Amino acid sequence: NAGVTQTPKFQVLKTGQSMTLQCAQDMNHNSMYWYRQDPGMGLRLIYYSASEGTTDKGEVPNGYNVSRLNKREFSLRLESAAPSQTSVYFCASSQVWEGRSNQPQHFGDGTRLSIL
Amino acid sequence: AQKVTQAQTEISVVEKEDVTLDCVYETRDTTYYLFWYKQPPSGELVFLIRRNSFDEQNEISGRYSWNFQKSTSSFNFTITASQVVDSAVYFCALSGNNAGNMLTFGGGTRLMVKP
Repeated sequence: NAGVTQTPKFQVLKTGQSMTLQCAQDMNHNSMYWYRQDPGMGLRLIYYSASEGTTDKGEVPNGYNVSRLNKREFSLRLESAAPSQTSVYFCASSQVWEGRSNQPQHFGDGTRLSIL
Repeated sequence: AQKVTQAQTEISVVEKEDVTLDCVYETRDTTYYLFWYKQPPSGELVFLIRRNSFDEQNEISGRYSWNFQKSTSSFNFTITASQVVDSAVYFCALSGNNAGNMLTFGGGTRLMVKP
């Protein structure tokens, strides 16, 4: 029962470096999400993909890009990392029927990213 | 715009005490969904409960219970006879009637249960 798998679990980058966070789900969910978690602020949505082939901005999209590679995989890319992007990143997936918000999101274990 | 407020940043109780975590939300949607998630020290997010806006029945699951009051826009979570294993950060979240099932999270409440 893998659920949502994120790689890597930890990463340290230097300012200006780029990297891609990988996420895969095996629950056949149509929707996938990327959040960041900062102390005292809960989780904030970066980007989401309501279905394969579509992506949309969330609350804090600046500095990030995403790719919905196929139904299973949704990657998050930092093109030029900045210290303000130091955070814990969570990927999630859920099944959404007829555009209704009715199912819980299932989360990966998170990627702890530090940018020096 | 949606908003979820968890006014209690940290709560500390002694084992076996009852504790209630507050959640107040704002939304203009007439249909919406409320969730509680638990984040233990290991860091993963564990889904606890989902409640839709047209079902105001309270729910009990073992030592956990949830009180949904639409009149006060609140969805509070009570742990009865708390245990050390309940120590975690608890998040309340809201999803409106949007195509992407996007969640708006509260800031979380850190619960510390001392033996």
